[in-house]
Order: sequence, then C-alpha cells, then structure tokens
Amino acid sequence: DSGVTQTPKHLITATGQRVTLRCSPRSGDLSVYWYQQSLDQGLQFLIQYYNGEERAKGNILERFSAQQFPDLHSELNLSSLELGDSALYFCASSTGVDLGTDTQYFGPGTRLTVL
Amino acid sequence: KNEVEQSPQNLTAQEGEFITINCSYSVGISALHWLQQHPGGGIVSLFMLSSGKKKHGRLIATINIQEKHSSLHITASHPRDSAVYICGVRGAQKLVFGQGTRLTINP
Repeated sequence: DSGVTQTPKHLITATGQRVTLRCSPRSGDLSVYWYQQSLDQGLQFLIQYYNGEERAKGNILERFSAQQFPDLHSELNLSSLELGDSALYFCASSTGVDLGTDTQYFGPGTRLTVL
Repeated sequence: KNEVEQSPQNLTAQEGEFITINCSYSVGISALHWLQQHPGGGIVSLFMLSSGKKKHGRLIATINIQEKHSSLHITASHPRDSAVYICGVRGAQKLVFGQGTRLTINP
C-alpha cells in the first residue's frame, strides 16, 4: 500500500460527458502528479501540482483540467469525453517540488471506460 | 523516433536466470526512473537515479549519462518478478516514459 488513494476505481461513462477523478496523496507529500496510461500510448505524464500550485504540464489536453486543494488532495476533470480517453489514470505523490527528481508513490489508478 | 526506447519489448526466461532490461534516451536528463507494473495494474517505483548504480535486493540499476543509457538487472529471477518494467526520464520540464518491457519468468 503506497498510501496514495484514488477514487473511483472504475468509471464507465458516455461520449460527451464530464467526469472527475480524485486523488489523496501520502501524508506529508506536497507534490501530486497525474498520468494517463493507454494501450497504444503507454504511460504519459499529464500535470504536476505542488502545494496547490501548478508546477509542470505534460501532454494534457485542453479538455482536461486539474487542481490541488488546500488539504492537498487533487482532482482531475475530464470533459467532452471521447472514446480515445478510455485509459487508466494514475495519481502519484512525492515530497519534492522539482518535476520528477524524487521517488514517486503511485495510487491504484482509476480505469475510465468511455462508451 | 521515441525519446525513450526500451529493449527488449518482451522477455521470457526461466526462474533463476539473470535478466537485463535496457533503456536508451535521446534527451539530456536530470533523473531516470525505473517503474514496475504488476499484472493487476499497480505501479511501484523501483529506482530513481541520476548517476552510477543503485541496488535493492536482487535488483540493480545502472546509468551511463554519456551514452544516454540505463540498464535494470534482476539476479536469481523468480516468477514473482513477472511484470512490465517501465523506464522514464526527466528531461527539460517534462517526464517521458518508454513503452515498457514485459517480463515473464517461468518456474
């Protein structure tokens, strides 16, 4: 158990809809990362937040947005969903502020299926 | 060409064999990560390194910055090592991952 929690575990929705994925980092971690993993694209970095502020952006679509709240939990919002958005979405947390320069602890993931 | 290339894509071996998985990258980096993803889907960070070599139990990771290459070695492999191993690099304000190496260890 990494200490990172994600909800929901599974989500099935229709094209055009909007969903929110939630992540709670390990106690004491200030950085939260979001990743998308699909069969054809592999693991892709979406965005990093540190202590409530956006720190780095990866391949995040404009239809997607994220935020980190004062209690450090984070939400990833996916809107105008398309079939190609079906994937595993992982959240990870770490202590440091610099992108990808310390060990990350991954949550169990949310499997999103868009029908 | 992908910024991070792993080889082999698939590897099947017998229990006890010495395993090597390779990762080559084309950008300047400040850190390299090795991740393990079990069949259930969960991801665990194995190593983060920026130079030299790190060891944890039967796992060893090395990196050669000049050659832009890293290797993950598993000694005395075991069926529980069966997983997908993913290499990722921290380049200029981005994190990029390879496609993964699927390792199967048969008893």
